[in-house]
Amino acid sequence: DSGVTQTPKHLITATGQRVTLRCSPRSGDLSVYWYQQSLDQGLQFLIQYYNGEERAKGNILERFSAQQFPDLHSELNLSSLELGDSALYFCASSGTSGREDTGELFFGEGSRLTVL
Amino acid sequence: GQQLNQSPQSMFIQEGEDVSMNCTSSSIFNTWLWYKQDPGEGPVLLIALYKAGELTSNGRLTAQFGITRKDSFLNISASIPSDVGIYFCAGQLSYGQNFVFGPGTRLSVLP
Repeated sequence: DSGVTQTPKHLITATGQRVTLRCSPRSGDLSVYWYQQSLDQGLQFLIQYYNGEERAKGNILERFSAQQFPDLHSELNLSSLELGDSALYFCASSGTSGREDTGELFFGEGSRLTVL
Repeated sequence: GQQLNQSPQSMFIQEGEDVSMNCTSSSIFNTWLWYKQDPGEGPVLLIALYKAGELTSNGRLTAQFGITRKDSFLNISASIPSDVGIYFCAGQLSYGQNFVFGPGTRLSVLP
């Protein structure tokens, strides 16, 4: 158990809909990362937050947005869903020592999104 | 953006054999991580490397941070069936930045 919690584990929805994925990082971790993994593909970086603020943005579509709340949990919002958005969405958190990340990334179990 | 290459893309080995895989980049990284992912599950951190030339072991797994800081290697000794999965490398340019992942090496172990 990595200590990173993601909900829901599975989600089936229709095209055009909007969903929210939730992530609770490991206790004390300030950084949260979101990754997308399509079938048999690698992990594509979407976005990173550090202590509530956006730190880095990857190949995240404009239809997608995220935020990190004061209690450090994060949500990834996916809107106007398309068939191609079907994928595993992973959240990961990174420990901190002082003000810097410790350089280790711990993943949750993922949320599997199926768009029909 | 930065890209990582992993080789081989896939490999089939006999149980008991040793395995070697590597990860290369055109960029210099500060940190290298190696993960294993089982189907439908999240990647699990195997080994973290922080210094050029560093050699770190975790049981039957050994990983090295390349001297040029542009590559890393993972070796698995005496493979067993539960070693089956996808192995990903990840690199971080500097502390606090996002991690870039390689495309993975798919390992199959034949009994």
